[in-house]
Amino acid sequence: EVLLVESGGGLAQPGRSLRLSCAASGFTFDDYAMHWVRQSPGQGLEWVSGISWNSASIGYADSVKGRFTISRDNAKNSLYLHMNSLRPEDTALYYCTKSPTLTNVRFDPWGQGTLVTVSS
Amino acid sequence: QSVLTQPPSVSGAPGQRVTISCTGSSSNLGANYDVHWYQQLPGTAPKLLIYANTNRPSGVPDRFSGSKSGISASLAITGLQAEDEAVYYCQTYESSLGGSLFGGGTKLTVL
Repeated sequence: EVLLVESGGGLAQPGRSLRLSCAASGFTFDDYAMHWVRQSPGQGLEWVSGISWNSASIGYADSVKGRFTISRDNAKNSLYLHMNSLRPEDTALYYCTKSPTLTNVRFDPWGQGTLVTVSS
Repeated sequence: QSVLTQPPSVSGAPGQRVTISCTGSSSNLGANYDVHWYQQLPGTAPKLLIYANTNRPSGVPDRFSGSKSGISASLAITGLQAEDEAVYYCQTYESSLGGSLFGGGTKLTVL
């Protein structure tokens, strides 16, 4: 069974940092691109960032560019999101998901999400 | 700014057919990138419903179907059931963004 399990969410003050992790199992991790997608309370889905299988290609939404850094460790079957300079508008449920490539954005499956709350 | 436009809401009675539209632009759907559809039931993570315009993953009932033409796509649901009440999102690749783009979501209400 393919599983994606996010962790690392919590409460952070504006301007502080958090690191999210996603543990993958049940598939060959380095065969796939990986992504973070977030959903603010009561709102729609927003793609945050994606990384190719070998980390050679990376993309970010304009809303997080320069503040967030995506990375992966294929030896550990893990995906990360380093979030710096957090803002209240970054408050959301953050999902980890995979796709065949960075341009073939068929996201399946999704993790259960980890909640990030940015508030003083 | 790149946008995929969906109606905020649709509704239908049990057994009826509904469609949800998704309109993009020349830099996403019009550039021949595939559209994918997701179903998000209340309190759960999104689930892939239709991929590559018309394909259903294993386990998705054939009541759900997708189509795409030019910069537009649509999701059709026939034989509506109460359990179909959810929010549906279309999604594609946006070349100007270098990443994925989601529609705003459409809430389906089964009357």
